[in-house]
Amino acid sequence: AQTVTQSQPEMSVQEAETVTLSCTYDTSESDYYLFWYKQPPSRQMILVIRQEAYKQQNATENRFSVNFQKAAKSFSLKISDSQLGDAAMYFCASCSGSARQLTFGSGTQLTVLP
Amino acid sequence: GAGVSQSPSNKVTEKGKDVELRCDPISGHTALYWYRQSLGQGLEFLIYFQGNSAPDKSGLPSDRFSAERTGGSVSTLTIQRTQQEDSAVYLCASSLPRGAREKLFFGSGTQLSVL
Repeated sequence: AQTVTQSQPEMSVQEAETVTLSCTYDTSESDYYLFWYKQPPSRQMILVIRQEAYKQQNATENRFSVNFQKAAKSFSLKISDSQLGDAAMYFCASCSGSARQLTFGSGTQLTVLP
Repeated sequence: GAGVSQSPSNKVTEKGKDVELRCDPISGHTALYWYRQSLGQGLEFLIYFQGNSAPDKSGLPSDRFSAERTGGSVSTLTIQRTQQEDSAVYLCASSLPRGAREKLFFGSGTQLSVL
């Protein structure tokens, strides 16, 4: 079974600054995938970034990047040049290569201050 | 439609009543998921459909919960004899065959309130 832990229920960041959201996971599988999903007030979850565990290079998507520490089972999300539109609930999630569904953390509510 | 569509957006019901929640996935997506999101919590997996294969029902919390997917497209989640603890947002997601390993496309959910 996989578990995902987000230890920061709430975070805030000043507009244009950088913020890092933490996530740790546990899995016994060697083939797995990690994700960050964003949930704005509209409730519609949107994929922010995806990382394949076998890849050593950290994934990046524009202002979003991850710090994937495989040995430590850590998968943090860095948001650079934060914008008001980044305000949302952020969920870390994992999926093993053999599994069919995502396991989600409890989420981090990000507030962006103008 | 262009995205995953769920209806109704909000549903208020009385304890003991049955409810049906509908999900219309993206055309061509063979995988369909239902998740439940309780207040302030993460998402809890309920059920997974993939093409014509038998669904994975391992996440359904009780036999009051059931789901079907007709013609490989629209799905209905049914909750019988609703209880107050069933109050939550029910999210549907669809994807291409590789499923959650790639990317899930979510609907905006149904907020269910059981009085």
